Amino acid sequence: GAVVSQHPSRVICKSGTSVKIECRSLDFQATTMFWYRQFPKQSLMLMATSNEGSKATYEQGVEKDKFLINHASLTLSTLTVTSAHPEDSSFYICSARDGGGRSHQPQHFGDGTRLSIL
Amino acid sequence: AQSVTQPDIHITVSEGASLELRCNYSYGATPYLFWYVQSPGQGLQLLLKYFSGDTLVQGIKGFEAEFKRSQSSFNLRKPSVHWSDAAEYFCAVVGNSGGGADGLTFGKGTHLIIQP
Repeated sequence: GAVVSQHPSRVICKSGTSVKIECRSLDFQATTMFWYRQFPKQSLMLMATSNEGSKATYEQGVEKDKFLINHASLTLSTLTVTSAHPEDSSFYICSARDGGGRSHQPQHFGDGTRLSIL
Repeated sequence: AQSVTQPDIHITVSEGASLELRCNYSYGATPYLFWYVQSPGQGLQLLLKYFSGDTLVQGIKGFEAEFKRSQSSFNLRKPSVHWSDAAEYFCAVVGNSGGGADGLTFGKGTHLIIQP
């Protein structure tokens, strides 16, 4: 159980393109999902918290107009990187928390999306 | 704000030997602690978690971790490693990190290498 599917797994596109990444909880409902960014050989950094039916909460330093998050249902959150540039190239990973959304419940992660902007 | 320190960037262990990965945290209240494992190019898999009760927690794949409040530590152990355990290991604590709510704060990770 507790499977999170992330799509696509890899994207290569030209500078200026907008890219949408989907994160789905397949066998549970997730009122809260999270988006992380991971640079090569580094740790994961929380970008934003996605709440179903409300606006996302962004971490300090993360541009909300650059990284648009939509959480329209209890099983789907999307991250859109708008007008992507080479510095946006990274590994993006989503997670979803089950168990009623309480803090001590573990987050389950998708397999990540490798974004490469040319 | 909370923080997590994993002092060892790389650790090399012989197959069949025991393993201990160190994790220290800084958090003002009772922490919720997790260990995750990541294979190259993949997402993260939960190994185990601690939020209350018995301070020695058992996880998947034969891993265990011990929460020691006095040392602010949550070290991961395995009595006998297998070649398939080679991966990146992350310790994490949950808590408010700036504007977010309950997002995970990760350590920098420990890269585990298994020698034949």
